[in-house]
Amino acid sequence: ELKVEQNPLFLSMQEGKNYTIYCNYSTTSDRLYWYRQDPGKSLESLFVLLSNGAVKQEGRLMASLDTKARLSTLHITAAVHDLSATYFCAVSGGTSYGKLTFGQGTILTVHP
Amino acid sequence: DTEVTQTPKHLVMGMTNKKSLKCEQHMGHRAMYWYKQKAKKPPELMFVYSYEKLSINESVPSRFSPECPNSSLLNLHLHALQPEDSALYLCASSLSGTTQEQFFGPGTRLTVL
Repeated sequence: ELKVEQNPLFLSMQEGKNYTIYCNYSTTSDRLYWYRQDPGKSLESLFVLLSNGAVKQEGRLMASLDTKARLSTLHITAAVHDLSATYFCAVSGGTSYGKLTFGQGTILTVHP
Repeated sequence: DTEVTQTPKHLVMGMTNKKSLKCEQHMGHRAMYWYKQKAKKPPELMFVYSYEKLSINESVPSRFSPECPNSSLLNLHLHALQPEDSALYLCASSLSGTTQEQFFGPGTRLTVL
């Protein structure tokens, strides 16, 4: 069974600081996704990582994938309040066709 | 049209009611999904339809009944729900039923009294 673990689960940051969220998964996967969710809202797709060594950047967020280590990171640079949200990584593959397995989510709060 | 729409946004129902949730997309996607999300938890997959056929049912109780009338439309029929079924129900779609990126709708907030 495919398992996905994120850490930390809670992250309180000051504006302007850098931090990294980690996502580990248990078996070989086809793709890894990062989503953002604001309170009471739906999931917004941030990044799709397809292959080993993939790196994608959008604004203050950068995601990377190491398939050999089964690890993805979401790096936050110079955090701003608008980045406060819950971030999920999700992995596709495993035995169930079309199924995404999500990590527990990281609740990020950025303070002034 | 690049979005997934869901109606209603909010639904309150009693345990004896029958109601339906609706999801629609016009992106030409051939796979559609229902997820259930409880507060402060990740989404949990309920059903996957691929090319209008049910391909995954994650052992969901029969009080939830999915329907895919055509490639653009996905319904979730609800009957005799329990209070613990209260949650955010999310619909998603992807280009195909393989490992394609899933795009999520805004969700229906369901409360069962």
